[in-house]
Amino acid sequence: DIQMTQFPSSVSASVGDRVTITCRASQGISSWLAWYQQKPGKAPKLLIYVASSLQSGVPSRFSGSGSGTDFTLTISSLQPEDFATYYCQQANSFPLTFGGGTKVEIK
Amino acid sequence: QVQLQESGPGLVKPSETLSLTCTVSGDSISSYYWSWIRQPPGMGLEWIGYIYHSGGTNYNPSLKSRVTISVDMSKNQFSLKMSSVTAADTAVYYCARDPTGGSYWDYWGQGTLVTVSS
Repeated sequence: DIQMTQFPSSVSASVGDRVTITCRASQGISSWLAWYQQKPGKAPKLLIYVASSLQSGVPSRFSGSGSGTDFTLTISSLQPEDFATYYCQQANSFPLTFGGGTKVEIK
Repeated sequence: QVQLQESGPGLVKPSETLSLTCTVSGDSISSYYWSWIRQPPGMGLEWIGYIYHSGGTNYNPSLKSRVTISVDMSKNQFSLKMSSVTAADTAVYYCARDPTGGSYWDYWGQGTLVTVSS
């Protein structure tokens, strides 16, 4: 199985801050990576797919980059509704696997 | 607007079979791939498997011996059965749509908590 490692596991930030979350795959996955946002008690929401494609309806302050083994999710200017847990997920090979999550908390 | 809704018992006894159904509205189940994903309380996400309308399936090897996913096109539903459950199977179970088969999930159900306990 491909292991997905996210860091940091949590980050404290203020409204307006730029936040970057990193995801590393245990082997190369080309651009087969997605990012999700999850709020407490809610289902995950797709933000980014194929590493850098913005899902319809997702604000442009979210962006994704990377290929191979290293990927980043960037929130350019953190908004109050962005405080949540973020997960990466690889789609290069089965079984599909997720990172452990990064919790973005209010500073 | 595509919507998915999980249904089934919220409590299952150890060693018994967990059964859940996902009802899809706003889209035909004869398109796309349809997955089950679970999340133990306070923990991360685990993909269980998917089914295509033709009946083709793909399961997580860690669960494959205990899992069956099936589809009922007449009801626009797909279902999950997991046998021989233990407390480790206690989780929120989500159904979700996968547009291409083994890629990502763009629509999710709200999730349903299944607790395994006697």
